[in-house]
Amino acid sequence: GQNIDQPTEMTATEGAIVQINCTYQTSGFNGLFWYQQHAGEAPTFLSYNVLDGLEEKGRFSSFLSRSKGYSYLLLKELQMKDSASYLCAVRDSNYQLIWGAGTKLIIKP
Amino acid sequence: SQTIHQWPATLVQPVGSPLSLECTVEGTSNPNLYWYRQAAGRGLQLLFYSVGIGQISSEVPQNLSASRPQDRQFILSSKKLLLSDSGFYLCAWSVGLDTGELFFGEGSRLTVL
Repeated sequence: GQNIDQPTEMTATEGAIVQINCTYQTSGFNGLFWYQQHAGEAPTFLSYNVLDGLEEKGRFSSFLSRSKGYSYLLLKELQMKDSASYLCAVRDSNYQLIWGAGTKLIIKP
Repeated sequence: SQTIHQWPATLVQPVGSPLSLECTVEGTSNPNLYWYRQAAGRGLQLLFYSVGIGQISSEVPQNLSASRPQDRQFILSSKKLLLSDSGFYLCAWSVGLDTGELFFGEGSRLTVL
């Protein structure tokens, strides 16, 4: 079966750095996405990785290792507004998106 | 710029009643359209997707159906709702099935009592 694993919940302090991990086992791989979802709202796109390595976009960076089936989302200089769920999704060989259950990130002052 | 809008935002319906959720996309032509359901603590579940008018692919057998009467309109329906249909429903669009990210509508919270 296909599976995306990410921690259920994480807590971090305002101004700090947090890394959210995602491991996947899918039938084929055609890219990995990270989305941010505030409570009661729709997910919004953060990043896309298809090749190994680090993609940086402002305070957010995403890393991919295809050989390990592993990705992480790194958030720097955390702000209170970063409190949200972060969803990892992998596009499989049929170009379908397989979604993780999401990681709820709680930011404390 | 492209926008996606779905409605209603919140719906409370009795068991056995019908359902109709609507989604429209503006600013693009021939988008791929999707209906997802999100249950608490679980990943997004793809219900239906459409690559063109009248073309609907169903991913999960259920008492829901979808229709695409116009290029940029996607409708999720049910003739008789079940308690298990409660959840957060999301419409989304993409340029292609194999390229780019998904853009989501605001979501519709359905509670079946």
